[in-house]
Parts: sequence; structure tokens; C-alpha cells
Amino acid sequence: EVHLVESGGGLVQPGGSLRLSCAASGFTFSNYWMTWVRQAPGKGLEWVATINQDGSDKYYVDSVKGRFTISRDNAKNSLYLQMNSLRAEDTAVYYCARSNTGYYYWGQGTLVTVSS
Amino acid sequence: EIVLTQSPGTLSLSPGERATLSCRASQSVSSSYLAWYQQKPGQAPRLLIYGASSRATGIPDRFSGSGSGTDFTLTISRLEPEDFAMYYCQQYGSSPRTFGQGTKVEIK
Repeated sequence: EVHLVESGGGLVQPGGSLRLSCAASGFTFSNYWMTWVRQAPGKGLEWVATINQDGSDKYYVDSVKGRFTISRDNAKNSLYLQMNSLRAEDTAVYYCARSNTGYYYWGQGTLVTVSS
Repeated sequence: EIVLTQSPGTLSLSPGERATLSCRASQSVSSSYLAWYQQKPGQAPRLLIYGASSRATGIPDRFSGSGSGTDFTLTISRLEPEDFAMYYCQQYGSSPRTFGQGTKVEIK
């Protein structure tokens, strides 16, 4: 059974950093593109970043370019999102999702709150 | 960037009725890389439709998707109580992979 479990969320001050992790199991992690999607409180879904199978291709939404870095460790079946220079508008639940034809598998999400 | 506009914002219907949700793209979605998701409060989204018209595994056949190019539709043939939720379209054919703003299907 496929499982995606996010961790690393929490409260951080504006300008601070946080690293999110997504532990994958139940499938061959290295065969799939992976994605981060976020949802601000009471708002809609926003695609954040996607990475290909070997980490050589990465795509970001404009609002996080230069601040966030998506990466993966296929040996550890793990996806990461390094978030620097955090802003209040980055406050959201962050989901990891397995990318194929759409996003069938999602984690439960981890809440990131940026506030002083 | 492809902007997806969903309409209506809210759909008020009764169980058993037919729901028709629209998703219009600002430019053509390549290879019909258009998906529909359902989301309930406190839950992760659930993939319903991919490739504009293919049902994801385990999705009841009352859900159907259609369209191509810039105009797409999600139809729920007969609403069940568990279908009242938020629905989002998403294009995954080009970067950034954008979502629509959502349509809320609520009980009338």
C-alpha cells in the first residue's frame, strides 16, 4: 500500500527557514516524479514544485523561486522541500503527492505557520 | 502560465440531482493533461479524473469528465450525500502546473 508521510512543519518567524520531508513507501520511489502542493487556510490548492525521478529537473511556482528548493533522496525514499526567507503568505498546509497522470496519492499534509 | 477559471463558484443542489462543473483555461491544455480533484474539509484532495476524461482507480462511474483544448467539464450524474465537497481542476501539461480556484457543491 502506498503511503506518503510529511513532517517538518511548525511555527517559524518571517525570514526564517524550514525543511519539510516526505517519507514514501509502498512503491518504487525512484520511478516517479514527485510534487509539493500547498493550501493556505481557507483557500484553494496551489502547486509549489515538482521534481523528476533522478532530481535533474525541477520546476517551481514563481512565488517561491529562489527561496524554496525541492530535492529527493532515492536511497532513502524521501522527498524534501527546503524553504528559506519564509513570508507570512507561505503559511499553509503542505502536501507531497506522487505525480503520474495527475496526483493520485497524497500525504496527510504538514502545517507551516509563518508568524512573529 | 495557464490560468484555470472554474464556474460556478458555488453550486447548490439536492441529492439525486445532476451537477455540471466547468473549467476554462486561458490557453490550450496540452494533450488534455487536465485533472479533477475532490476535497473535503480536513482531508487531502482525491483524484477523480485525469487526462480530461479517464476515471481514477476506485472512482464511481457517476463521475465523468469531458472536454479538450480550453473547455473542460466534470459531471456528477446523480449526487450522493458524500459528493458535497469542493472540486478543483488542474492542468499538468505545462509548468507552472496550475489549479483552478474551486467550485463548492453544497446541499440545497
